[in-house]
Formats: sequence, structure tokens, C-alpha cells
Amino acid sequence: EPEVTQTPSHQVTQMGQEVILRCVPISNHLYFYWYRQILGQKVEFLVSFYNNEISEKSEIFDDQFSVERPDGSNFTLKIRSTKLEDSAMYFCASPRSGTQYFGPGTRLLVL
Amino acid sequence: AQKVTQAQTEISVVEKEDVTLDCVYETRDTTYYLFWYKQPPSGELVFLIRRNSFDEQNEISGRYSWNFQKSTSSFNFTITASQVVDSAVYFCALSEANNYGQNFVFGPGTRLSVLP
Repeated sequence: EPEVTQTPSHQVTQMGQEVILRCVPISNHLYFYWYRQILGQKVEFLVSFYNNEISEKSEIFDDQFSVERPDGSNFTLKIRSTKLEDSAMYFCASPRSGTQYFGPGTRLLVL
Repeated sequence: AQKVTQAQTEISVVEKEDVTLDCVYETRDTTYYLFWYKQPPSGELVFLIRRNSFDEQNEISGRYSWNFQKSTSSFNFTITASQVVDSAVYFCALSEANNYGQNFVFGPGTRLSVLP
């Protein structure tokens, strides 16, 4: 299975703090995606990023969220001022051969 | 709008039993893809299978098999001779052709517990 990596695996933060989640998608892919899974719930789409631009975003992806590609291989999801309800598992994903492959996720806990 | 329903919230079986996880979907598209993912307790999402809307052939992979029936909009997943390591949450998902954004929709998941 193609490898997508994410760091950190776990992050604990205080409400109101900024967090940055990192992803290295499948090599040389222009498309990548971020999803969120609140504990015990289904996986939800946040945003897609193509060729250094947001191509699509959901209602969840409000002004507190941003995505960037700081260098050629890394992508980041930033939450500017975390809220309790941002506690969730965050997955990045890359498609290959028509299949969406997910990274291992970052488990974010906002206290 | 696309929708995926997994009516079974939780299933418990004893090791070596067969178990079928149900998935029913709704879409207006004629071209779409169906997926199953496994989420073990460690939390990652493991891809199991992808099926396109034009291919209704059932598939078997070891102890896993999938039954795609377009007439009933179902894509059910059967594990034969279940093992404790099969314990996980299983998600069915649906996407428009090559669209993994708003139109990549997950079901709510079925938590499978296989007891020794």
C-alpha cells in the first residue's frame, strides 16, 4: 500500500492555541486531502488541495483552518485557535490508481 | 446527494463464525466507486477494496468477500471464519468517479468484535 505519513501521531493542546499538523503524501502527487473523524463518528471531508491551491472545502473548514505546502513534499493543516470541538483524529490522504490512501492520522486533544 | 448507510452499529461474533457487514448506498451518478476500509483500535484507515459501478462481479480475497448488487444498491462485506484480529470498525464509502472531496462519503461504520 502506498505510504502517506503524518506527524505528530498525538497532540495535546490548550483551547485557543494554534496547532499545525503535518503530512507527507504519496510522492509526486499534486492532489491531497484532509479529513476529520470525531471520536466514534464517521470520517468527514475537510479540504482538498491541488497544485498549491484549495480546490474544494467543506462547511467544517472555516476561517480557523488553513492548509499550506511549505515545501515540495510536506503539507500542513493549521488550526489557528483551537476549540474543544476540534478534538478529533485528522487524516491526510492521497489518491493513487483510483483509491484514496490515508495516513495513520494525528489524534488531537484540545483541553 | 450521496449517502451511505451501515445499519449495523455493532456486531459481536465468536471466533470462526462468518459475519456479514451491510452497506447500502444512494447516488444519482451512473459512474461511482465503492470502498471498504478497516479501522483497527490503533486508529489508522486501512484500504480493503474498491469496486466501480460497472463491475458487479463479486470478489473474494482470502477470508474476505464482497457482494455488490446494483439492483438493491448494496455492497456487503463478508468475513469467513472470523479471527480476533478482525476486530475493528469497518467503513463503507462511496465516491463519484475520482472525486474524493465533498463527494467522497463515508458510512457511519460498523464495530465488529470477534470474541475468542
